[in-house]
Amino acid sequence: AQKVTQTQTSISVMEKTTVTMDCVYETQDSSYFLFWYKQTASGEIVFLIRQDSYKKENATVGHYSLNFQKPKSSIGLIITATQIEDSAVYFCAMRETSNTDKVVFGTGTRLQVSP
Amino acid sequence: EAGVTQSPRYAVLQEGQAVSFWCDPISGHDTLYWYQQPRDQGPQLLVYFRDEAVIDNSQLPSDRFSAVRPKGTNSTLKIQSAKQGDTATYLCASSFGHSGNTLYFGEGSRLIVV
Repeated sequence: AQKVTQTQTSISVMEKTTVTMDCVYETQDSSYFLFWYKQTASGEIVFLIRQDSYKKENATVGHYSLNFQKPKSSIGLIITATQIEDSAVYFCAMRETSNTDKVVFGTGTRLQVSP
Repeated sequence: EAGVTQSPRYAVLQEGQAVSFWCDPISGHDTLYWYQQPRDQGPQLLVYFRDEAVIDNSQLPSDRFSAVRPKGTNSTLKIQSAKQGDTATYLCASSFGHSGNTLYFGEGSRLIVV
C-alpha cells in the first residue's frame, strides 16, 4: 500500500532564507506522481508543485523546487528566499498510476517564517 | 471558473445526531474525493469516485458514514450517529482524469461533535 511520511512537524526560519522540507514515500508501483500542497491559515489547500517518477530532472516552479532522490524514495521541497506569506502547513502527497486516482497525503510540516 | 464548493461550512452536533455535507466539484471534473482532516493532521482519504462509481471506500467507516455521487457531479457525505471522534474538517476535492492531474480542494466543512 502507498504511504507518505513527513517527520518534521514544524520548522521556523528567518525571512529570505532557504528551507527544505522532507518527505519519504512507499510504493510498489514503478510509475507514480508526487505532489506538494500548501494549507494556509484559512484552511485553503492549494497545489504547489509536482514530480513525475519517470523524470530525472527536479521540478521547479517559482521559488519552489524539489529534490527528488528516487533510490531513497525521497522528495524534498525547497523554498528559496522565503517570505512571511510562506508561513503555512505543507503536505506531501502521492498518486500511483496503478491505483489511478487514489491520492495519499503525509501528516504535514508547519513552516513559520519570521521577519 | 468556479472552484469546488462545499456546504455547510460549519456544523456543531451532539453525539448521536446526523449530518450531511454537500460538495459541488469543478465543472467537468470526473473524479471526486472526500477527505477527513482532524486538527493538526493531514487529510485522510475516506472515499473517492470516478463519475458516479465508487472506486475506493475502504477507509469509510461504513457503519455510520455513507457517500454518494448519483449523477457523477455533486456528492453528499453523510454521517449518522456522530461521535466525538468524528470532530474534524471534511474536505472535498476534485480532479480531471487521473495520474498526474492535481487535486482542487474546497474550503472544507468543519464538524464539531460535543
